[in-house]
Amino acid sequence: NAGVMQNPRHLVRRRGQEARLRCSPMKGHSHVYWYRQLPEEGLKFMVYLQKENIIDESGMPKERFSAEFPKEGPSILRIQQVVRGDSAAYFCASSRQGTPEAFFGQGTRLTVV
Amino acid sequence: AQSVTQLDSQVPVFEEAPVELRCNYSSSVSVYLFWYVQYPNQGLQLLLKYLSGSTLVESINGFEAEFNKSQTSFHLRKPSVHISDTAEYFCAVSDADTGRRALTFGSGTRLQVQP
Repeated sequence: NAGVMQNPRHLVRRRGQEARLRCSPMKGHSHVYWYRQLPEEGLKFMVYLQKENIIDESGMPKERFSAEFPKEGPSILRIQQVVRGDSAAYFCASSRQGTPEAFFGQGTRLTVV
Repeated sequence: AQSVTQLDSQVPVFEEAPVELRCNYSSSVSVYLFWYVQYPNQGLQLLLKYLSGSTLVESINGFEAEFNKSQTSFHLRKPSVHISDTAEYFCAVSDADTGRRALTFGSGTRLQVQP
């Protein structure tokens, strides 16, 4: 029973490149959440998705960031034209329909050089 | 809007001593409450949760937390800590009334257990 799978674990991008972060939820989970953890800070909510649907994107930066959770395949968090300030750990979590408990992946640590 | 305050950024403690990690929250609606633990370079693991019912909840590794509605607190306690408990602990809340699932986290407390 695999947990939430995120890949890659570490990602290095030069300023101006695109970053794609992937998340496969736990089996039986239909809800996916993305959070960002800046150095020495707690986690900040970014976006909440169900299959083919964005439910809550109130924490997403207005530009350069987008997320999707297609009918087939993993959820993708996409950051275009990365800047140094995007360097952070990005965590994905998933939950079952109708339950508030969320289970987290190991995270993707993005470094922008 | 919700907020979570973890007043102690670091808590050093000796092995086998008791510990309390404090968490206070602010919310205009009913909440679900969670404690997560993060080991270095790892993801977050759910330690325990309060959804409803008994206000005292326990984990399998000896931690417990008590929901106090009047004081809007959900402090985490352990009567005797081990070296292996060294980690960062995050308190989090989510909305129990509207079903908004997003977790609001505190800034974390680093528990450092010394031999």
